Amino acid sequence: EVQLLESGGGLVQPGGSLRLSCAATGFTFSRHDMAWVRQAPGKGLEWVSYIYADDSKTVYADSVKGRFTISRDISKNTLSLQMNSLRAEDTAVYYCTKSMPSAALFDSWGQGTLVTVSS
Amino acid sequence: EIVLTQSPATLSLSPGERATLSCRASQSVSNKLGWYQQKPGQAPRLLIYGASNRATGIPARFSGSGSGTDFTLTISSLEPEDFAVYFCQHRSNWPLTFGGGTKVEIK
Repeated sequence: EVQLLESGGGLVQPGGSLRLSCAATGFTFSRHDMAWVRQAPGKGLEWVSYIYADDSKTVYADSVKGRFTISRDISKNTLSLQMNSLRAEDTAVYYCTKSMPSAALFDSWGQGTLVTVSS
Repeated sequence: EIVLTQSPATLSLSPGERATLSCRASQSVSNKLGWYQQKPGQAPRLLIYGASNRATGIPARFSGSGSGTDFTLTISSLEPEDFAVYFCQHRSNWPLTFGGGTKVEIK
């Protein structure tokens, strides 16, 4: 059974940094593209970042480009999201997701971790 | 950026009724579209990929159709557990975007 377990969320001041982690089990982590998707309180879904399995190429939404960095550690089956220069509008539940093979659609999701950016 | 517009925003129906949800793209996405279901306090769940293919474990009452710019998610006969919010998402190019969602509520 695929399991994705996020950690690292919390309260941070504007301009601060936070690092999210996602522990992946139940599938061959090294063979799947992964992504982060977020959801502001009471709002819809927003794709944040994507990392390819084969060459670790990364893609970012314009709203986070230059501030967030996605990475993966194959040896630890862990996906990470380093978030710098955080803004109030980054407040959201962040979901770790597994992509379907050859398709940027997400067939497994973690339970989410809440990031609150506020002074 | 491809904008996905979902309608209606809210659909009020009774159990056993048929639900028809729409997702319209601002430009063609071919069949590169998926649908998700989200219940309160839970993560989304993939229902449909490739516009019309049910994901693993999804009941046959859920079906998807369409291509290009106009897509439909149909729930043939609503079960109590189907009352939720539904999102569409394209994967045609970057950035990936989601529709604003349709809430299916009990009438």
